[in-house]
Amino acid sequence: GAVVSQHPSRVICKSGTSVKIECRSLDFQATTMFWYRQFPKQSLMLMATSNEGSKATYEQGVEKDKFLINHASLTLSTLTVTSAHPEDSSFYICSANNPGGRYYEQYFGPGTRLTVT
Amino acid sequence: GQQLNQSPQSMFIQEGEDVSMNCTSSSIFNTWLWYKQDPGEGPVLLIALYKAGELTSNGRLTAQFGITRKDSFLNISASIPSDVGIYFCAGPPQGGSEKLVFGKGTKLTVNP
Repeated sequence: GAVVSQHPSRVICKSGTSVKIECRSLDFQATTMFWYRQFPKQSLMLMATSNEGSKATYEQGVEKDKFLINHASLTLSTLTVTSAHPEDSSFYICSANNPGGRYYEQYFGPGTRLTVT
Repeated sequence: GQQLNQSPQSMFIQEGEDVSMNCTSSSIFNTWLWYKQDPGEGPVLLIALYKAGELTSNGRLTAQFGITRKDSFLNISASIPSDVGIYFCAGPPQGGSEKLVFGKGTKLTVNP
């Protein structure tokens, strides 16, 4: 149980274009999902908390107009990187709390490797 | 904000050896989580600890919630090559949020 998927697993885009990453909870409903960014050899950095049916809460320093988050259903959250630039190249990972499990246990997707050329 | 300090940063061991790593904070945490991340993958939850003093096992892995609530330990017994990866500790910062803060990780290399 508590499986989270992400799509795509890898994406290469040109500078100035937008990219959408999907995060799905496959066997549970997730009222809250989280989006992280991870640079090589570094830890996970929380970007935003995504709540179903309401606006996402962004961490300090994360541009909400650049990283658009939509949590339209209890099983799907999307992250859109708008007007991507090479410095946006990174590993993006989503996670979700399993309401059937213990409160703080987050289950992670496999990640999306974004490369902006 | 609350930070988690992990040590060591990296470990190089021989297959079959036991491993110990820890995570400390200057603040109290009420929950400690240990994750493992393989290269190019998302972290996988290994063990969750909810009570001070709690000792929990998952196969060859054992984790403890420090009695002061400011630290946690993860031990791996009889290491095997597939134990290679980065181990992160994590916990929810005070304030009632569902968010987690993560340590910087311990990178484990196991030589066959």
